Amino acid sequence: DTGVSQDPRHKITKRGQNVTFRCDPISEHNRLYWYRQTLGQGPEFLTYFQNEAQLEKSRLLSDRFSAERPKGSFSTLEIQRTEQGDSAMYLCASRGQARPEKLFFGSGTQLSVL
Amino acid sequence: DAKTTQPTSMDCAEGRAANLPCNHSTISGNEYVYWYRQIHSQGPQYIIHGLKNNETNEMASLIITEDRKSSTLILPHATLRDTAVYYCIVLLIIQGAQKLVFGQGTRLTINP
Repeated sequence: DTGVSQDPRHKITKRGQNVTFRCDPISEHNRLYWYRQTLGQGPEFLTYFQNEAQLEKSRLLSDRFSAERPKGSFSTLEIQRTEQGDSAMYLCASRGQARPEKLFFGSGTQLSVL
Repeated sequence: DAKTTQPTSMDCAEGRAANLPCNHSTISGNEYVYWYRQIHSQGPQYIIHGLKNNETNEMASLIITEDRKSSTLILPHATLRDTAVYYCIVLLIIQGAQKLVFGQGTRLTINP
């Protein structure tokens, strides 16, 4: 179990630029989640994949955000035309089918939009 | 999913038991209580979960009241590494996405 890996750990970008984050889940996990966390708040759900299918999207995920999981393994989260309000920690989590129903989180990508 | 209420912050002395309360008065009969914690600069980490009975694992114990309207997470011998934000979450286990809905949690500080 190598854990959930996220890349990069930190990203600084200028407003209006596009950014892409990558998540590598635990290898046998077919469910993958993206969350966003701002300072002092708990993580907020963004979207969920089962294998390559994106099954649920939060209203927080505006049309500037897109997530993919093309082969049912790693996932990418892209933000187009970044805004200062996008500054946050973006967390990825994965889960297998075994009980208990627990998520394994990565360490996140910290995005700062200047 | 039912809403939970937790104290904003708590302190505990190193080596003592840390008891973290959580109210979930609107919980339904088939909703589970989950606890996660988040150490600074890391993603949340699963601790324990339960439905009706008290549960214990290598990390903590979970005490759920008989009416299930509240629960307590117990860290029996707190260490400095237990300083973290602790989240109590109520979750309905069904097929499909079971997205965790995090509140603001309790910031637990373990003091030497």
